[in-house]
Amino acid sequence: DIQMTQSPSSVSASVGDRVTITCRASQGISNWLAWYQQKPGKAPKFLIYAASSLQSGVPSRFSGSGSGTDFTLTISSLQPEDFATYYCQQGNSFPLTFGGGTRVEIK
Amino acid sequence: EVQVLESGGGLVQPGGSLRLSCVGSGYTFSRISMNWVRQAPGKGLEWVSVISGNGRSTEYADSVKGRFTISRDNSKNTVHLQMNSLRAEDTAVYYCAKEEPKGYHYGMDVWGQGTTVTVSS
Repeated sequence: DIQMTQSPSSVSASVGDRVTITCRASQGISNWLAWYQQKPGKAPKFLIYAASSLQSGVPSRFSGSGSGTDFTLTISSLQPEDFATYYCQQGNSFPLTFGGGTRVEIK
Repeated sequence: EVQVLESGGGLVQPGGSLRLSCVGSGYTFSRISMNWVRQAPGKGLEWVSVISGNGRSTEYADSVKGRFTISRDNSKNTVHLQMNSLRAEDTAVYYCAKEEPKGYHYGMDVWGQGTTVTVSS
């Protein structure tokens, strides 16, 4: 199985800050990586697919990059509604696996 | 509007069974694979199972293989997750998630609100 490791597990930031989250795969997954945002008590929301393609309706302050084993999610200017937990997920092979999550908290 | 809606969660004793259902609407249901993903209390997301659009292909996480069975009825736009031999560690919110139309490589683009399964005596 492919293990997905996210870092940091949590980050404290202020509105307007640039935030970067890292996701590392235990083996190469090409660009088959998705990112999700989850707020407390809510279902995950699909943000990015194929490592860098923004899902329709997602604000352009979100961006993704990477290929192979190393990936990043960047929020260019953090907004109040962005405080949430973010998960990466590999789509290279079954079983599909998620990273452990990164909680973005208010500083 | 594309939506998926789960039902069937509840409280069940260890060793018991439960069947979850998920109804999809707003898209051509039979063409899209459907997933189940779960989240234990205070924990991260864990993928559970997937079924192809025509129902002929399925995959399972090792943690549920042999105990859970995914199926679908395209005439009713419904996917089921039959859960047998339930354990305390199966306690979680279970989400139904629609696969992105381009395929499993691309992720899961629409999620239901979740249904809660509690395994306890």
